Amino acid sequence: EAQVTQNPRYLITVTGKKLTVTCSQNMNHEYMSWYRQDPGLGLRQIYYSMNVEVTDKGDVPEGYKVSRKEKRNFPLILESPSPNQTSLYFCASRGGGSSYEQYFGPGTRLTVT
Amino acid sequence: DQQVKQNSPSLSVQEGRISILNCDYTNSMFDYFLWYKKYPAEGPTFLISISSIKDKNEDGRFTVFLNKSAKHLSLHIVPSQPGDSAVYFCAVDNYGQNFVFGPGTRLSVLP
Repeated sequence: EAQVTQNPRYLITVTGKKLTVTCSQNMNHEYMSWYRQDPGLGLRQIYYSMNVEVTDKGDVPEGYKVSRKEKRNFPLILESPSPNQTSLYFCASRGGGSSYEQYFGPGTRLTVT
Repeated sequence: DQQVKQNSPSLSVQEGRISILNCDYTNSMFDYFLWYKKYPAEGPTFLISISSIKDKNEDGRFTVFLNKSAKHLSLHIVPSQPGDSAVYFCAVDNYGQNFVFGPGTRLSVLP
């Protein structure tokens, strides 16, 4: 089954404790992206990657890091989480060519206290 | 400043009637527009899209209209069904690189 998986689905952590949210896709997609969803603001793009070893900042990259060492994985790293990073996070992937459709993972709800 | 706006946070319609969700954007250079639907506790799923070279795209009960001069697009759902109750996001594809989403409209279809 074609899918995007994220882990963990729920995470409660404390300020300053480094964490990683994993994202993996099995569709051989070149493009992957991370979003955060906040009430009234919709989905805002954090980082995206056009291919392996190619990453770019989205609209809200501050406080986040990503890496793309292999095509299927695109982890999101919070080196020193803060309460304003409490949010619902989605990973997405998209095929190449004329396909604009993105496939989203189920989401990771992060709470930073 | 938001580049993609959905000015109605919520919308309620009766089952069987038409639902019209609206979206406005600011950048006339955007060339591809998409609608996503999101149920609670799930990721968004692609619904329908339209290229800037078209003014209408239809897929079953769903039709998207694009008015480039007004920088406005709308999603029509006819007839609306209770299973259509979800949050709908308008999104623009910025030349295949980054994507910009609107804040979403929560649609409730009442039986």
